[in-house]
Amino acid sequence: DVKVTQSSRYLVKRTGEKVFLECVQDMDHENMFWYRQDPGLGLRLIYFSYDVKMKEKGDIPEGYSVSREKKERFSLILESASTNQTSMYLCASSFRRPLRAEAFFGQGTRLTVV
Amino acid sequence: KQEVTQIPAALSVPEGENLVLNCSFTDSAIYNLQWFRQDPGKGLTSLLLIQSSQREQTSGRLNASLDKSSGRSTLYIAASQPGDSATYLCAVYWLETSGSRLTFGEGTQLTVNP
Repeated sequence: DVKVTQSSRYLVKRTGEKVFLECVQDMDHENMFWYRQDPGLGLRLIYFSYDVKMKEKGDIPEGYSVSREKKERFSLILESASTNQTSMYLCASSFRRPLRAEAFFGQGTRLTVV
Repeated sequence: KQEVTQIPAALSVPEGENLVLNCSFTDSAIYNLQWFRQDPGKGLTSLLLIQSSQREQTSGRLNASLDKSSGRSTLYIAASQPGDSATYLCAVYWLETSGSRLTFGEGTQLTVNP
């Protein structure tokens, strides 16, 4: 079975803290994605990466950065957490070739910034 | 920019009913379309992937169809059960200049009543 694992299910952080969300996949997928999900707004793409050390901005990258030093790991960084970043964060991965590009998701991280 | 719309936003049916969920997208130049299920507070579970060259895919009581020319997909659920209650999301995989992207609809919240 494909496994996409996010490091935490629940996190509570203080405003201004630097926050790291980690995602690991075991399927040798080239693509990895970070989304946030909010009621009424659906899933919005923050960043994605199609190879090691490569990254592309999604629709809402402001306030976030990412790191992909190894193929299996994709980290989302909140440089200075704010209350409007309270959300469910979802990581996904897929093969890069379109015909094999089935996406698999982690279990999600519910982040609360207080 | 690709936009994905799902109708209806919510649906409540009695157990045993057959039902159809709808998904439409604005740009027909897609690679794949994928249907997911999400239970409250959880990540997304992949249900079906339809490649652009395919017309439909089946898995158990689920059948998904794809009509690229009209920009539509449907998810048919036969003989619905209370355990089918969840939010169903469709997502399209498409190519942008910066790489391949996965864009989601806002989902249909399904309730199957015993």
